Amino acid sequence: QVQLVESGGGVVKPGGSLRLSCAASGFSFSLYYMTWVRQAPGKGLEWIAHISSSGSIMSHADSVKGRFTISRDNAKNSLYLQMNSLRVEDTAVYYCARAEHSYPSDSWGQGTLVTVSS
Amino acid sequence: DIQMTQSPSTLSASVGDRVIITCRASQSIDYWLAWYQQKPGKAPDLLIYKASRLESGVPSRFNGSGSGTEFTLTISSLQPDDFATYYCQQYNSYSRTFGQGTRLEIK
Repeated sequence: QVQLVESGGGVVKPGGSLRLSCAASGFSFSLYYMTWVRQAPGKGLEWIAHISSSGSIMSHADSVKGRFTISRDNAKNSLYLQMNSLRVEDTAVYYCARAEHSYPSDSWGQGTLVTVSS
Repeated sequence: DIQMTQSPSTLSASVGDRVIITCRASQSIDYWLAWYQQKPGKAPDLLIYKASRLESGVPSRFNGSGSGTEFTLTISSLQPDDFATYYCQQYNSYSRTFGQGTRLEIK
């Protein structure tokens, strides 16, 4: 069955960097768009980045544009989120999810917690 | 980016009640709207896609409607398992924004 497993979360100081990974299995990864969504403690869902199946098209939310970069490696069935210049307000659980061009996210990982604190 | 506005933010209801949650888009998204259910500590589950199509395995008491900028999620007869937080999401563009969520609580 479809499985998405995030990793790479942890505690980092403001201004620091982290790279999140999402390992995909149980489906043809290279055929699907992928997305990152985050949820700050006690808050709602926030879409932050989206990448096409080939990786040629990427989109980032204004809140992370210029600091975060989504990427993928179809040979490794993996999705990534490079997070630089981290801020306290980036503290959240980060989920990866699969999607299609005309379909929303139907499968999600369990999430990985990123805490930005001095 | 397209802004999504849900109402109400919190809804109190009883088992067996019919409830309606509304989602408004800041510009037309045709029918590219999804509804999710999220329970504490869990990832969201997809309920509805393309505004009104039920995801496989979702009970028929969930119903979505609307197009353009106005959408609704109706739960026809609340069950104990339905008390959760609900989010709408537009996927008309690459920026797939969510509504702020509606917490459905037991009255």
